[in-house]
Formats: sequence, C-alpha cells, structure tokens
Amino acid sequence: GQQVMQIPQYQHVQEGEDFTTYCNSSTTLSNIQWYKQRPGGHPVFLIQLVKSGEVKKQKRLTFQFGEAKKNSSLHITATQTTDVGTYFCAALSYNTDKLIFGTGTRLQVFP
Amino acid sequence: KAGVTQTPRYLIKTRGQQVTLSCSPISGHRSVSWYQQTPGQGLQFLFEYFSETQRNKGNFPGRFSGRQFSNSRSEMNVSTLELGDSALYLCASSLESYSYNEQFFGPGTRLTVL
Repeated sequence: GQQVMQIPQYQHVQEGEDFTTYCNSSTTLSNIQWYKQRPGGHPVFLIQLVKSGEVKKQKRLTFQFGEAKKNSSLHITATQTTDVGTYFCAALSYNTDKLIFGTGTRLQVFP
Repeated sequence: KAGVTQTPRYLIKTRGQQVTLSCSPISGHRSVSWYQQTPGQGLQFLFEYFSETQRNKGNFPGRFSGRQFSNSRSEMNVSTLELGDSALYLCASSLESYSYNEQFFGPGTRLTVL
C-alpha cells in the first residue's frame, strides 16, 4: 500500500536558523497538502500543491512539489518561536482516493 | 463563520463500553472526515462522509462506524472499546472532497479507555 514518510522526525533549531522537512511517497501523487499542528492544538491547513515542480511561498515558508510528484518539502527561513509545532504532509496517490498523512516533523525553536 | 465543533471534548470510558462522538462542520461544508491521532501511529484516516454517504474508509475494524445527517453533522461510534482506542479523535470538514480541498479541523475529542 501507499506509504508516506516524513523526515526528520524531530528538529531542534536556534531561532533564526532555517528548517526543512521532507515528505516522500512510494507512489506518484495527485496532490499534496501541508498542515501545521501547534502543541495541544489541531492541524491547520497551510497549502496544497498539485503541479509537478510547483513552488509556492507564504512569507518565510517555501513549499515544493517534486518533478516526479513523489516528494515534497517545506522550508522555513529564519525560524521564529511561533513556528513551533508539528508539520504534516498529507498525500493523495493517483491509485487511491485516500489522503495519507505523513508521520510529521516536530519542530522546536529555541530563543 | 463558526469553526468545526466537536463534542464532548474529553471522555473517559472503560473497556467494553461504547462511545459516540459528534462533529458539526462549518456551515456549507458537505464533507466530514474523521481521524484518530495517537503518539505512536500519528494521524490515521477513519472515514469520510459526503451528503450522508460514506465515501471513503480507512483500515479500521468494524467497531468503528459513523454516519452523517442531512444537515452535514456527523457522528462517530466506537463499540466494544479497547485500551488501544485511547486517542485524540479529530474531525475535519471541507467544501467538497476531503482529498482535494482544504480541511478545517475541529479541536478534537480526547478519549481515554481504562
């Protein structure tokens, strides 16, 4: 079945450093969504990527969809303490109608 | 618009009991999905309901069931509770298909099975 792996599992950074999380699928994806969950909170939608090679930016966040549509990344430039939380990708494969969530990357930012 | 609401927020049950959780989606949203979140397994998809029909189902045993009403409100039921069912149960609503549209999550119901 479809597997969605996210790396790293945890990342601790100093405020101001950059951060990247990667999402990898065993199958070709139709689209991928990214969510952020603050500690004690619920997932909040960040973005959806659909096209091969797509790059989207939201202020300090940059999202990429791989050319082969099997992987994606989220990059945060100059992290702030407000970036703390767990970042999840959610992938939809072409051969299934089920959205599979990645294992998540937990980001901790030290001031 | 009001966000997604879930009731109750916290629940404690014992093994063998059954439980019903409720989710009210954002007004106008027709899709409601349910997820189980645990530290070990992450976010696992349970099922999606759209216009009162179950459109998609994850890999959970038949003890987990749900339904959706004509006003799009949804309920999830777990029968014969097991210790491993302790988790945060999240519901999410979206305008149309959950897999192609932004999902809005509720605050969740924290279920503890003793």
